[in-house]
Formats: sequence, structure tokens, C-alpha cells
Amino acid sequence: NAGVTQTPKFQVLKTGQSMTLQCAQDMNHNSMYWYRQDPGMGLRLIYYSASEGTTDKGEVPNGYNVSRLNKREFSLRLESAAPSQTSVYFCASSGTLGLAGASRYFGPGTRLLVL
Amino acid sequence: AQTVTQSQPEMSVQEAETVTLSCTYDTSESDYYLFWYKQPPSRQMILVIRQEAYKQQNATENRFSVNFQKAAKSFSLKISDSQLGDAAMYFCAYTYNYGQNFVFGPGTRLSVLP
Repeated sequence: NAGVTQTPKFQVLKTGQSMTLQCAQDMNHNSMYWYRQDPGMGLRLIYYSASEGTTDKGEVPNGYNVSRLNKREFSLRLESAAPSQTSVYFCASSGTLGLAGASRYFGPGTRLLVL
Repeated sequence: AQTVTQSQPEMSVQEAETVTLSCTYDTSESDYYLFWYKQPPSRQMILVIRQEAYKQQNATENRFSVNFQKAAKSFSLKISDSQLGDAAMYFCAYTYNYGQNFVFGPGTRLSVLP
């Protein structure tokens, strides 16, 4: 049981390049999330998916797109990277009901540097 | 809007001693959930302990326990027998539903002194 996995662990991009961050979970969770963490800003929600086939914007969605490929996988795409998108990106998942539904289980993070 | 406050940006504790990290929150909801997450230098966000607001009994996980005071909207974390591996950033978090409203506090950086 790997939990939540993310690839890559670290990436350097030039301004204007595109890339996709991959996330997968093996906990049979319905909901998945993408957060970014910046120094002094805490974690901010970019997008989330309450179930397969649905996605919704979070607090900071501009410059990003997401795809909920199936129940296990939720990808985050940067179409034209900007230096302001330099951050650490976390994928998370949660179950359906009760404490499992409320809890967030996080992946190891992807550190992205945009030059 | 729900907010989570951690008034101690930094704390330190001697190895084997006990330390308490503070967290207060603001909500008008009666049923909600509270969490403590640990983020070591590896950056992994690790769920340490969680509490359902309708349960009066304080949650405990090995050396970690909470003091949940619902009326005061306080949710402090006590770490007993502190170990060097406990050194990390600790985030308090709150949610009242299963959607996007998961609010993190600003974090407390804990140092453990040998």
C-alpha cells in the first residue's frame, strides 16, 4: 500500500514550458486535491476532484488545468510555466464519510523551479 | 470564514521532555474535524492526530495527544518524551465538510535539542 504517490519529485522548467505533474492513490479514495505550498503562505488549494469525472477550482486555479483520469489518478498541468509558479506541489486524497472523508492524505510533494 | 491560528511561530524542547503546541480556530459550525500534521525537512505532510468535534474524549496516538476545548475553540498538541525525529513544522488544520474547505494554520517550527 503506497498511499499517495507523485512524479516527478523535482523539476526545473524555463518560462513558457509546459509540464504535467502526476498523482496516484491506491486507497480507493473518491476525492483528490492539488495544493501548492509557498514560504509564508501555507498550503493553498489549486483544484480538487470530489469524484471521478468531476473537478472544481480551489483558491488559486489560474495557470493550471487538471484531469481526473480515473479513480486513482489526478494530474495537474501547467500549460505555460511562469516564475510565480515556482513552489512545492502536493497531491492529496480523502475518503467519503466520517473521519476518513474529512482527513487529507498527502503525497511526498513535487518541487518545481521555473526560471 | 473559518480561520486557524497558531500563535507560536517557533518552539524548542529538550530531548525526552514534553512540549505543547497551541492552536485556536474560529467557526460557527457545531460538527467539524481537527488535525495536526507534521512536515519534516523531507517536506512530506504526515497526519499525526485527528479529532472529531462531537467526541469529548481527547485523541491520543502514542506519544502524541491533544487537549480539545470546544467551548474555547482550542486544539493543542502535546508531544511527550520528545525525540530528535520530532523536529519539524507542525500544522493545525480544520474542516467541517468533505469538500474544499480544509483550512491550515500558519505552522509552528519545533526544534528538539539534544
